Amino acid sequence: SQKIEQNSEALNIQEGKTATLTCNYTNYSPAYLQWYRQDPGRGPVFLLLIRENEKEKRKERLKVTFDTTLKQSLFHITASQPADSATYLCALGGGNAGNMLTFGGGTRLMVKP
Amino acid sequence: DTGVSQNPRHKITKRGQNVTFRCDPISEHNRLYWYRQTLGQGPEFLTYFQNEAQLEKSRLLSDRFSAERPKGSFSTLEIQRTEQGDSAMYLCASSPGLAGAEETQYFGPGTRLLVL
Repeated sequence: SQKIEQNSEALNIQEGKTATLTCNYTNYSPAYLQWYRQDPGRGPVFLLLIRENEKEKRKERLKVTFDTTLKQSLFHITASQPADSATYLCALGGGNAGNMLTFGGGTRLMVKP
Repeated sequence: DTGVSQNPRHKITKRGQNVTFRCDPISEHNRLYWYRQTLGQGPEFLTYFQNEAQLEKSRLLSDRFSAERPKGSFSTLEIQRTEQGDSAMYLCASSPGLAGAEETQYFGPGTRLLVL
């Protein structure tokens, strides 16, 4: 069966450290993968998109990697800040994932000052 | 504010009642999506429209769920004969709808439904 797995346990890190979140999937061949941030009571907000033929994408303090062999994406936030505390969602799209986005369950990140 | 808007933001209803939610997408966005999100889970896709055409509706949770986008602008999601299990956040998103493009989706704030 098709699955998208993100660590359901909250990730607690100290301010200034690098946070690394994982997204693993099975039985999908997406054309792209997206990462979204969601704050409590709000809709998700787009952060980054990476295509199947790209290994790495960066935006300011954010970095995403995409390994289609391992079927895994890693999402890094460097020099983390308390304001980065939120739930981070990965989503697959395109390919056999279709036009809609299929989301993982999200990982809650807590950055402590 | 030109983002996606949803109304109402909160809805409390009794089991068996019908509810309707509205979504106004970003102006000129051709695609509109509906998702459901329960606590601790990611958004679950329900249906989407390209302009006024509903292109995917097999993921609607039951025949009690229906959606419309009559003029290709705003959309409504209706749940008939609500059940307690329908309690969730209902999210709407829109995207430009460019053919063949991977698309960022812009989400609204959601409508939180509580069925008593």
